[in-house]
Amino acid sequence: EDQVTQSPEALRLQEGESSSLNCSYTVSGLRGLFWYRQDPGKGPEFLFTLYSAGEEKEKERLKATLTKKESFLHITAPKPEDSATYLCAVPYSGGGADGLTFGKGTHLIIQP
Amino acid sequence: DAGITQSPRHKVTETGTPVTLRCHQTENHRYMYWYRQDPGHGLRLIHYSYGVKDTDKGEVSDGYSVSRSKTEDFLLTLESATSSQTSVYFCAISESPGNTQYFGPGTRLTVL
Repeated sequence: EDQVTQSPEALRLQEGESSSLNCSYTVSGLRGLFWYRQDPGKGPEFLFTLYSAGEEKEKERLKATLTKKESFLHITAPKPEDSATYLCAVPYSGGGADGLTFGKGTHLIIQP
Repeated sequence: DAGITQSPRHKVTETGTPVTLRCHQTENHRYMYWYRQDPGHGLRLIHYSYGVKDTDKGEVSDGYSVSRSKTEDFLLTLESATSSQTSVYFCAISESPGNTQYFGPGTRLTVL
């Protein structure tokens, strides 16, 4: 059974204080790992897709990295507008249903 | 932003009544998905569609049915709503299985 675990559940940082969010996964065959950002009352917004260990993607203050067991979302010098819940997900690895298995998310708060 | 709309955006209904949620896309993507999001759980797949009239079950399909008569529309029906179906429902679209999924704004459903 696919499993995705995110840590920490919640993180409070001061503006400018860099940190990393973790997403560990257990799948029988990784076909990609997705990061999303979700603001309160809205749908998940796509950030990155990573396909192979060693791959990195960047967007503004965010950088996502991937190893064979986990992914990190690094946030450099965050601003209050980076406050959101960050979700990671992997495609179902078994036969049958198509879809994504999501972690429960990391709720990030950036204080001015 | 991917052209995905969901209707209604909010609905309050009573136990035992039928409810239909609609997802409409303007991207001509073949794959469409219904997820539910509940506190303490990640997003969970209810049903998905891989083409007109082609649908399949997801992880939490009991109590739900779907239909897709046109590429652009994917309907989720609760035949007889129960309080356990109180949730936020998200529609997603994708060009192909395992590819990036783009999410709609969500429908908040309350079953009293």
